[in-house]
Amino acid sequence: NAGVTQTPKFQVLKTGQSMTLQCAQDMNHEYMSWYRQDPGMGLRLIHYSVGAGITDQGEVPNGYNVSRSTTEDFPLRLLSAAPSQTSVYFCASSPERARGYTFGSGTRLTVV
Amino acid sequence: DAKTTQPNSMESNEEEPVHLPCNHSTISGTDYIHWYRQLPSQGPEYVIHGLTSNVNNRMASLAIAEDRKSSTLILHRATLRDAAVYYCILRDRGNTDKLIFGTGTRLQVFP
Repeated sequence: NAGVTQTPKFQVLKTGQSMTLQCAQDMNHEYMSWYRQDPGMGLRLIHYSVGAGITDQGEVPNGYNVSRSTTEDFPLRLLSAAPSQTSVYFCASSPERARGYTFGSGTRLTVV
Repeated sequence: DAKTTQPNSMESNEEEPVHLPCNHSTISGTDYIHWYRQLPSQGPEYVIHGLTSNVNNRMASLAIAEDRKSSTLILHRATLRDAAVYYCILRDRGNTDKLIFGTGTRLQVFP
């Protein structure tokens, strides 16, 4: 198993550009989540999904969209990038509530 | 959302046991208690979880108070590689799965 794969690992965007952060897992996990982590800070939940076709907002959803058309993929779309979205983004997946989440290695995004 | 409270930082010497406390006084009967850790420049890593009974695995032990309003993560012999931020999180068994990370406890391990 490759686990949770995030692409790209690094990205620089200009203010106003849009992009999609990819997240894929090959473990047939139902639950997936996106977090952002600003320098020196804790993780904040952006969006999460409890299964294909089901998504919901986390703590800081503004400026981001998600969809979950398949169990494997959970892309995160930045609609119009802003410098405040400069952060490290982590995707995670879990098979069930009685098990832990597996995190990806992160995408480091800089918006200039 | 249910909240947890942890000390900001703790220190330990190598090969000594470490007890990391967590208070979760508003825990509901359907919440699992999860622990994660984040090593420098890495993503979080699952450590252990429990519901009511104490739990052991190869990484750590989890002691849960009888009223479930607090728990303690126990590292039996700290190593330098255990230096990390440790997060205690409540995961509900309801319709949502909003796993909210707090600020965690930064553990320093000295040789």
